[in-house]
Amino acid sequence: GAVVSQHPSWVICKSGTSVKIECRSLDFQATTMFWYRQFPKQSLMLMATSNEGSKATYEQGVEKDKFLINHASLTLSTLTVTSAHPEDSSFYICSAAAANQPQHFGDGTRLSIL
Amino acid sequence: KQEVTQIPAALSVPEGENLVLNCSFTDSAIYNLQWFRQDPGKGLTSLLLIQSSQREQTSGRLNASLDKSSGRSTLYIAASQPGDSATYLCAVGNAGNMLTFGGGTRLMVKP
Repeated sequence: GAVVSQHPSWVICKSGTSVKIECRSLDFQATTMFWYRQFPKQSLMLMATSNEGSKATYEQGVEKDKFLINHASLTLSTLTVTSAHPEDSSFYICSAAAANQPQHFGDGTRLSIL
Repeated sequence: KQEVTQIPAALSVPEGENLVLNCSFTDSAIYNLQWFRQDPGKGLTSLLLIQSSQREQTSGRLNASLDKSSGRSTLYIAASQPGDSATYLCAVGNAGNMLTFGGGTRLMVKP
């Protein structure tokens, strides 16, 4: 089946640093990748959608300059949380989909900002 | 704007019980509906995907039904086991392969 790898699974860093999260589709070409954020005991909230080679489309309320998304190839998308602060601490999940196919999800990244 | 609601938010049952999780959505113009399982601190595992033209899907002890006109789906779990304990998420698929998630049902199956 389709496999999506997300790395790192857990990261702890100091306030003010930038953190990069990678999302890779291992055995298929992902024309679209999605980034979600999940707070404890809450559901997934879509942050942005990215298509390979295009700029990401951000959901209302998500800061583009804060959460930089790059989708440079059909198998890799990255989310960079810039100048992270404690309120950015959350569980971030990516998903990837081939054209007209269901989304396949990564295992998530737990981000803790001290 | 599509809104997805799951009831109950939490459920605790003894092992062996059959149970039903409910999902409702406001806009019936959907492409598909998926049920996912999420273990604590983990990503999502797809359980069942129902296309908009289908009424139900089955996998092992799981059965999901879809009534698009009334905006409802149910996930039926037969003979529940402690290993079924997890959060179950319902997600409605819309245009552009976008998913709208419900708030989830946290299930605890006690031995």
